Order: sequence, then structure tokens, then C-alpha cells
Amino acid sequence: DGGITQSPKYLFRKEGQNVTLSCEQNLNHDAMYWYRQDPGQGLRLIYYSQIVNDFQKGDIAEGYSVSREKKESFPLTVTSAQKNPTAFYLCASSIERGTDRWTRSWSFGPGTRLTVL
Amino acid sequence: KNEVEQSPQNLTAQEGEFITINCSYSVGISALHWLQQHPGGGIVSLFMLSSGKKKHGRLIATINIQEKHSSLHITASHPRDSAVYICAVLGPNDMRFGAGTRLTVKP
Repeated sequence: DGGITQSPKYLFRKEGQNVTLSCEQNLNHDAMYWYRQDPGQGLRLIYYSQIVNDFQKGDIAEGYSVSREKKESFPLTVTSAQKNPTAFYLCASSIERGTDRWTRSWSFGPGTRLTVL
Repeated sequence: KNEVEQSPQNLTAQEGEFITINCSYSVGISALHWLQQHPGGGIVSLFMLSSGKKKHGRLIATINIQEKHSSLHITASHPRDSAVYICAVLGPNDMRFGAGTRLTVKP
């Protein structure tokens, strides 16, 4: 079955440590995204990548870094510069469904809940 | 003001009641998603629609592009419908999310 894998589901880290969250998809989707969710707020875009070896900052990129060396993988590193890293992190992917670039099919990962102690 | 506004924020219903969740948006979109998020965090896409109305089982979603408004209806609600329902709008590069509506259906 095709889908998006995020691991681990729950992650605990000490303050000041960098941590990398994995996201893998076998859907052959060209675009991948990282979102952050805080209680009572909508998901906010951290970074996105539309093609391999290219990525763009979202609304809240400060304190995060990404790489897109392979089409299937889009890991997110939460650095010590991120002031409030405790949150739920969601990875998503999408692919154009037709000739209209606005028409994309989306899939979502199960998410990783990061707690910084 | 958020680009995507949902109401209500929280909703409690008795089993069997008809539920309506509303979504208004302020940006140009190509389509709108209704998503369901369960306590574990995983998100499932319920509908994607760009016009009119879609129905799947007890769920109905409508959208009015001119008024920039969408509604999600649940008929004959059941405790297993308890979840957070999220409205998300699709632009050319990414998706913008509402804050979600937490629905609790009591038996």
C-alpha cells in the first residue's frame, strides 16, 4: 500500500538538542510539506519542496532545516534555535492530478508528537 | 485574521443529532478539503471539493465559491464521529488550514 511514513510517533528530547523527524513516501508524489500544529491552532507550514534538491520556507521556518536529496524523503531537523519545539509535526505530500497546476492530490502522514523536556 | 476560519471551535452533540460545521476563507482557492483528525493525530481526507456538494455515507459537504464558504454536515451522528474536523484550502503551492472544530458525540 502506498502512503506516508513518519517515525517515530512520539519523540522526547532534551532542551538544546537537535532532532530530526523522518518522512518517507512511496506515492511518487513530487511535492512534500512539513506542518506544525499547536493546541487550538491550525496547521502552519514550516517548509515545502516541489522537486528534489529544492525547498522553500513556509510561514514558520525559523529554527528548522530540511533536505530533499531523494524524491521519497523529506526529513525535518528541529534545531536548538527553535524556541518552542514541543508540538505535533505533520508531513504531507501531493502530486498534480491533471494539466491544471492547482489541481493536486494530497496525502498525509500519521504525524510525530515531539516533546522537549 | 486567519485566512481560514472555522466555527464552532467546539461542539458537543447527542447521538443521532444533525451536525453542521462551517468554514469561511479569505483567499483565492482552487479547491477545499475537509479533513478528520483523531486523538492520535493522524489525518484522513474526507472530501475535496471545488463546487457544489458531495455526499459520502452520513457526511455531506457543500461549498459556495462566490461566498467563500463551505459546510460539513453529519447526519445521525454517532460517538465514533468524535474527532477534530479541519477545513483546508488549496492554493497553487500548499494548503492552508483552519484551526479545527472539536466534535464530541455523546451516547
